[in-house]
Amino acid sequence: AQTVTQSQPEMSVQEAETVTLSCTYDTSESDYYLFWYKQPPSRQMILVIRQEAYKQQNATENRFSVNFQKAAKSFSLKISDSQLGDAAMYFCALTGTASKLTFGTGTRLQVTL
Amino acid sequence: GAVVSQHPSWVICKSGTSVKIECRSLDFQATTMFWYRQFPKQSLMLMATSNEGSKATYEQGVEKDKFLINHASLTLSTLTVTSAHPEDSSFYICSARVRGRGGNQPQHFGDGTRLSIL
Repeated sequence: AQTVTQSQPEMSVQEAETVTLSCTYDTSESDYYLFWYKQPPSRQMILVIRQEAYKQQNATENRFSVNFQKAAKSFSLKISDSQLGDAAMYFCALTGTASKLTFGTGTRLQVTL
Repeated sequence: GAVVSQHPSWVICKSGTSVKIECRSLDFQATTMFWYRQFPKQSLMLMATSNEGSKATYEQGVEKDKFLINHASLTLSTLTVTSAHPEDSSFYICSARVRGRGGNQPQHFGDGTRLSIL
């Protein structure tokens, strides 16, 4: 069984500042993949970033980067230079060989002026 | 690329009605599509995995006869909520994975369907 835990129900960040969203996971598989999805009020699920477990290098996508700690089973998301449009629910997700996504409970990010 | 279209986006109907939701991959083929349900302020819960040309695989606790899934082609999967009741009201989202790719390929999501049963 796979589990994904997001311990921060809500986070707040000022515009232009940096924020880190936490995620821990558990899986018995050796080959798996991790994702961060963003869900704005429109409720569309938007892929933010992904990480292959076999890669040691942390993934980056413009202002978004991850801190992947495989031994600790931790996969946090860092958003730099936060923008108002970053306000959304952020879901951490895990998939293994069965290709089924397991989602965390989400973190609601508020961006303030 | 990798656009998933879901229709309708919002449906309101009377109790006892059956409702069909369509999920289409517009610019890629998807042998596997997924159906999720999301309650307000909660995460996505996988309901079933839809496989082209074969029966869907349902998650534990999901009623197969209540939620009928058909995946007749490589670009279309449908979810039919049969004899819907108010407790079936929810937000339903589909996703699709590009055909032939491994698990590292992300799922591409539709925009979701808000179902309200009166």
